[in-house]
Amino acid sequence: GDSVTQMEGPVTLSEEAFLTINCTYTATGYPSLFWYVQYPGEGLQLLLKATKADDKGSNKGFEATYRKETTSFHLEKGSVQVSDSAVYFCALSVLGGYQKVTFGTGTKLQVIP
Amino acid sequence: EPEVTQTPSHQVTQMGQEVILRCVPISNHLYFYWYRQILGQKVEFLVSFYNNEISEKSEIFDDQFSVERPDGSNFTLKIRSTKLEDSAMYFCASRGLAGEETQYFGPGTRLLVL
Repeated sequence: GDSVTQMEGPVTLSEEAFLTINCTYTATGYPSLFWYVQYPGEGLQLLLKATKADDKGSNKGFEATYRKETTSFHLEKGSVQVSDSAVYFCALSVLGGYQKVTFGTGTKLQVIP
Repeated sequence: EPEVTQTPSHQVTQMGQEVILRCVPISNHLYFYWYRQILGQKVEFLVSFYNNEISEKSEIFDDQFSVERPDGSNFTLKIRSTKLEDSAMYFCASRGLAGEETQYFGPGTRLLVL
């Protein structure tokens, strides 16, 4: 079946540090890839997405590139802020059928001033 | 911007009681989903719903669960007889057309079963 593996957290960074959260996937078909973010006490928000190989999704300074050859979709940000503290979920959805979303376990990011 | 809404935001219930969680998907969307997230764990798929019927369900979605779209706008999840292990955050999501890959999630209902 489909699965998503992401790096264990928590990740603690100082403000303005570089962020990478690793994500790899396995899928039975051709997936679309997503990063969702969950701020404390809130629901899931779509952060960015990519629908085909070599696509780069970007939003709010975050980027991730769809790498089919390595089945990866790593999240990066050049300079994190305290307000980026949240849980980040890598996810996939395979086109066709009813397209349930399969999530990774989430990586908690804490940014300290 | 259109959004998915859910009510209530929090619900506390006694074990064995029935609960109904409500969702209003984005108005022109056709595909509807429920997911749950037990505290500290990952988000898990429960069920998908299309054309007024269940299209896929997970192993979690047993006979205690049911879904309904009673009036063309609401989408409900009913748990017939709650168990302690049903305590979780429940997320509703919706998606537009067949080729649209993005699901939009509601803010969630936090259910606590005592």
